[in-house]
Amino acid sequence: NAGVMQNPRHLVRRRGQEARLRCSPMKGHSHVYWYRQLPEEGLKFMVYLQKENIIDESGMPKERFSAEFPKEGPSILRIQQVVRGDSAAYFCASSPRLYNEQFFGPGTRLTVL
Amino acid sequence: QQQVKQSPQSLIVQKGGIPIINCAYENTAFDYFPWYQQFPGKGPALLIAIRPDVSEKKEGRFTISFNKSAKQFSLHIMDSQPGDSATYFCAAQEETSGSRLTFGEGTQLTVNP
Repeated sequence: NAGVMQNPRHLVRRRGQEARLRCSPMKGHSHVYWYRQLPEEGLKFMVYLQKENIIDESGMPKERFSAEFPKEGPSILRIQQVVRGDSAAYFCASSPRLYNEQFFGPGTRLTVL
Repeated sequence: QQQVKQSPQSLIVQKGGIPIINCAYENTAFDYFPWYQQFPGKGPALLIAIRPDVSEKKEGRFTISFNKSAKQFSLHIMDSQPGDSATYFCAAQEETSGSRLTFGEGTQLTVNP
């Protein structure tokens, strides 16, 4: 059973470009969470999704950030018009059901030039 | 009120020593407290977790001590090994109102040979 997959592992964007981060949860997991880790800091919750639904997006910046988890395919975290402050590691986690252990992917390290 | 405070920020011990990492929280609604281990370039991996109905949980060389009245919990690593060198994060979850994890700031542990 493959673990949580994230791609790309490293992403470089120039200011103003769009960044698209993908997360494939573990097989059988329908709950996906996105967290952001700034350098030398802990992980901060961004958004929690189930298939086709955003359940909790209270940690998402109000502008430029969006997330989806379509019926088919991976979950996508989209950052429009990136700025240098968006440079961070973005981790996706999945769980088979609510209130279960969250399994983390290897992360996508975004660098904004 | 949603924060989890973790200390120390970094810790260096000799092989065989017993590093102790402490966390404190304010939100009394938190009812699940996991510890994650993260190696450089990797995602966090669940190490051990505890719920408030017990004061201690041991799994192998890792022990969580939990003090509900003080709203504090700590991780002890017995007979530490150089391979334990990693960043450790405590976290807390309020299962009754959501599935997000609130993380501490992390402790960078170095175990010298």
